[in-house]
Amino acid sequence: NAGVTQTPKFQVLKTGQSMTLQCAQDMNHEYMSWYRQDPGMGLRLIHYSVGAGITDQGEVPNGYNVSRSTTEDFPLRLLSAAPSQTSVYFCASSYSALGGLAEAFFGQGTRLTVV
Amino acid sequence: GDSVTQMEGPVTLSEEAFLTINCTYTTTGYPSLFWYVQYPGEGLQLLLKATKADDKGSNKGFEATYRKETTSFHLEKGSVQVSDSAVYFCALSDRAAGNKLTFGGGTRVLVKP
Repeated sequence: NAGVTQTPKFQVLKTGQSMTLQCAQDMNHEYMSWYRQDPGMGLRLIHYSVGAGITDQGEVPNGYNVSRSTTEDFPLRLLSAAPSQTSVYFCASSYSALGGLAEAFFGQGTRLTVV
Repeated sequence: GDSVTQMEGPVTLSEEAFLTINCTYTTTGYPSLFWYVQYPGEGLQLLLKATKADDKGSNKGFEATYRKETTSFHLEKGSVQVSDSAVYFCALSDRAAGNKLTFGGGTRVLVKP
């Protein structure tokens, strides 16, 4: 059981380049989300999805796009990379349970550096 | 909107010391509360959770009680080990807010032998 798989683990981009961070889960969870983690700021929600075909913006969506064509996959696209997007990115999946959201399962993270 | 505030670190302790990490939250709904732990170089993993007032979550010697009257969910462990060195995140999810997770800023804990 792989859980949540993110690729790549490390990436260096030049300013203005675009790329896609991949995220896949094999637990049939309806909820998926992307966070960025910056020193001293915890995790901030970028985009999330409550099911295939449904996405919404989180706290810091500018400069990022998402789509959810299948339950399993939730890629994050950087349209034109900027140094401010240097961060560690985490993908997470979860499901609803009695009383609210069950635990979220996180990927190992992608460390992105924009130069 | 929802917010979570936790004490800033780093917290440095000796092995077998008592650990407390304070966490308070603000929300207009009825949240579920979580503590996640992040070991160096890894993603976050659930440590414990509580889904309603007065619930106590516990795991690996850690405990936290959902206190609605004080809007708090403090994490405690009676005797820490070197292996508990990690970053700890308090979080809430609110069904009224689409079940999104809101995280505190994280508290780094360093346990010295």
